[in-house]
Amino acid sequence: SAVISQKPSRDICQRGTSLTIQCQVDSQVTMMFWYRQQPGQSLTLIATANQGSEATYESGFVIDKFPISRPNLTFSTLTVSNMSPEDSSIYLCSVDGGTEAFFGQGTRLTVV
Amino acid sequence: AQSVTQPDIHITVSEGASLELRCNYSYGATPYLFWYVQSPGQGLQLLLKYFSGDTLVQGIKGFEAEFKRSQSSFNLRKPSVHWSDAAEYFCAVGDSGGYQKVTFGTGTKLQVIP
Repeated sequence: SAVISQKPSRDICQRGTSLTIQCQVDSQVTMMFWYRQQPGQSLTLIATANQGSEATYESGFVIDKFPISRPNLTFSTLTVSNMSPEDSSIYLCSVDGGTEAFFGQGTRLTVV
Repeated sequence: AQSVTQPDIHITVSEGASLELRCNYSYGATPYLFWYVQSPGQGLQLLLKYFSGDTLVQGIKGFEAEFKRSQSSFNLRKPSVHWSDAAEYFCAVGDSGGYQKVTFGTGTKLQVIP
């Protein structure tokens, strides 16, 4: 199994600002994933982050809005840029655990 | 593209009653299927998974699910629900690697009444 730590666990941010979410894994993993869960909604994949290459974004998500870093095999960051209230969501990172996906506890973001 | 449908947005059952949550999937090959539970304010917890083999899979907390290829279904069941089972349940299908990119259903919120 993999233990995932996400920081911050929650934050309240002003519109127009940016927030960087960190995801730390206790083991080396090839692929990391970032999901968004909007209020009352299911989880939607934002992007896949591989170490040493640019992240791959899903339809409807762009790098300028959600830049991702993956400097090594245990760490990744997701930045939510130029935030608006519509970005208020839970953001979760996930890792490929071999036979299942493991998820962090999530970052609950509120934009005011 | 893979997709998952959970037709029931909200279900209410009495404590001690049986439970079945429905899930239908669309996938071009043999699917990798999962059920996750999300309790209020909590992260996602894997209940069970199906990759191959026996179509009836047992999970944690007394849950089980049955894969039916002919119906493209992977319904979650529990014979006797406990109040602590109140949560949101997500069915999901995995990508070709089975565990990489996971596509989630819209979720079913379970309410348990005394």
